[in-house]
Amino acid sequence: GQNIDQPTEMTATEGAIVQINCTYQTSGFNGLFWYQQHAGEAPTFLSYNVLDGLEEKGRFSSFLSRSKGYSYLLLKELQMKDSASYLCAVREAAGNKLTFGGGTRVLVKP
Amino acid sequence: KAGVTQTPRYLIKTRGQQVTLSCSPISGHRSVSWYQQTPGQGLQFLFEYFSETQRNKGNFPGRFSGRQFSNSRSEMNVSTLELGDSALYLCASSLSDRDESYEQYFGPGTRLTVT
Repeated sequence: GQNIDQPTEMTATEGAIVQINCTYQTSGFNGLFWYQQHAGEAPTFLSYNVLDGLEEKGRFSSFLSRSKGYSYLLLKELQMKDSASYLCAVREAAGNKLTFGGGTRVLVKP
Repeated sequence: KAGVTQTPRYLIKTRGQQVTLSCSPISGHRSVSWYQQTPGQGLQFLFEYFSETQRNKGNFPGRFSGRQFSNSRSEMNVSTLELGDSALYLCASSLSDRDESYEQYFGPGTRLTVT
C-alpha cells in the first residue's frame, strides 16, 4: 500500500533553518511535491522533484533520493510568516493523483 | 490570471441529503482534481478529470461522483450525505496534457458541514 510519513510538528526560531523529512513507500513513483498550507487556506505549491538531487528556490530547497524513498524540505532564514503546515505528496503514475502525508506543522518563534 | 474558484464556499446540509460542489479551473488548465481534507485523515484524493474523462479515482464510495464539462469546469456530487462527509473539499487544476503533468493549483475550498 501507500505510506507517506512526515513529523507532526516542528518548532524553530526566526532566522534559523528547519528541515522537514518525508519518507514514502508507494507502488509507483512519478514525482514528489511539497505544498505549504496556512491555517484556513488552500495549499500552495512549493517544489517538485522527480530526479534525485537538490532543487533550490529562494529560501526553500527540496531534496529527493528515490532509492531511499526519502525527501526533505529545507526552509532557510525562517520568517514568522513561514508558520504553516507543510505537506509532502507523491504522484505514483501518470495524471494528477497525489497521495499526501499527514503534514508537518511548523511553528516559528521570535 | 484568475485562480481556481470554488462555489459555494460554505455549505450546511442534513444527513441523507445530496450536495453539488462546483469548481472553475485556471484558464487553459484541462485537468481538475478533487480532494477531501479532514483533521483526522488529512488530504485525500477523490478523483481527477481530464478532457471530460475521469482519469484517476481514489478510494471513496460510489456516493461520491464527479464530472467535467467541455469548458473544463467540474462538479462533484455527494449523495446520501453522512456525518463523516463533513470536510473541506478542495479542487485543484493543472496545466496537464495526456502524457505530462505539472503542479496543481488549489482553490479556496468548500467547507461542507453535515448535521
